[in-house]
Amino acid sequence: AQTVTQSQPEMSVQEAETVTLSCTYDTSENNYYLFWYKQPPSRQMILVIRQEAYKQQNATENRFSVNFQKAAKSFSLKISDSQLGDTAMYFCAFLTLYGNKLVFGAGTILRVKS
Amino acid sequence: DVKVTQSSRYLVKRTGEKVFLECVQDMDHENMFWYRQDPGLGLRLIYFSYDVKMKEKGDIPEGYSVSREKKERFSLILESASTNQTSMYLCASKTAGTGLGNTIYFGEGSWLTVV
Repeated sequence: AQTVTQSQPEMSVQEAETVTLSCTYDTSENNYYLFWYKQPPSRQMILVIRQEAYKQQNATENRFSVNFQKAAKSFSLKISDSQLGDTAMYFCAFLTLYGNKLVFGAGTILRVKS
Repeated sequence: DVKVTQSSRYLVKRTGEKVFLECVQDMDHENMFWYRQDPGLGLRLIYFSYDVKMKEKGDIPEGYSVSREKKERFSLILESASTNQTSMYLCASKTAGTGLGNTIYFGEGSWLTVV
C-alpha cells in the first residue's frame, strides 16, 4: 500500500519570499502520478501541480514548481514570490498509473504574512 | 473546465436520520469518489465508483453506502447518521484513462453536522 507523509503541519512565510513544502511517499510502483492540491479557507480543493513519475523533468506552473527525487521518493513544492492568496492547506497526493485511489498526506497549513 | 457540484454545502441533521449527499459532474468521467476530511487525518476514501451501478469500498466505508444510477451522479448515503460522522465530505471525479487525463477533480465540499 502507498503512503504519503507531510512532515510539516504548519509553515509561515513573508509575502514575496520563497517557501518549500516537503512530501515523501512510499511505493513499490515504478510509474505513478504525484500531485499538490491547495485547499483555501473556502475548502475548494484546487489542483496546483502534477508530476508523472516517468518524466525526469520537474513540473512547473507559474510560481509553483516541484523538486521530484524519484530514488529518494521525495516530492517537494516550491512557491516563489509568495502571495497572501497562497494562504491555504496544501496536500501532497499519490496515484498509481492505472489506479483509482488518490492517497493523501495529512496536509501542511501555509500562512503567508504581509 | 471540469465541474463537480455538490448540491448541499452545509447540513445539520439529527442522530438517526437518513442523510443523502449528492454529487454531479459534467465531464463524462467514469470514476467518482467520496472522501471524508477531518483535521489531522487528511482525506480518507469512503467509496468510489468506476461505472454506473458499480462501486468499491474505500478505506472507511462503515456506516455509509453509495448509489450511482447515472454516470454523472454519485450519492453518498448515511443510513442512520451518528455524531462521529460530523465532518467535511468531498466528492471527486476523474476519467478512467491514464496520461494527461488522470487527474482527480473535486467539488466544493459538504459540511455535515450531526447533533
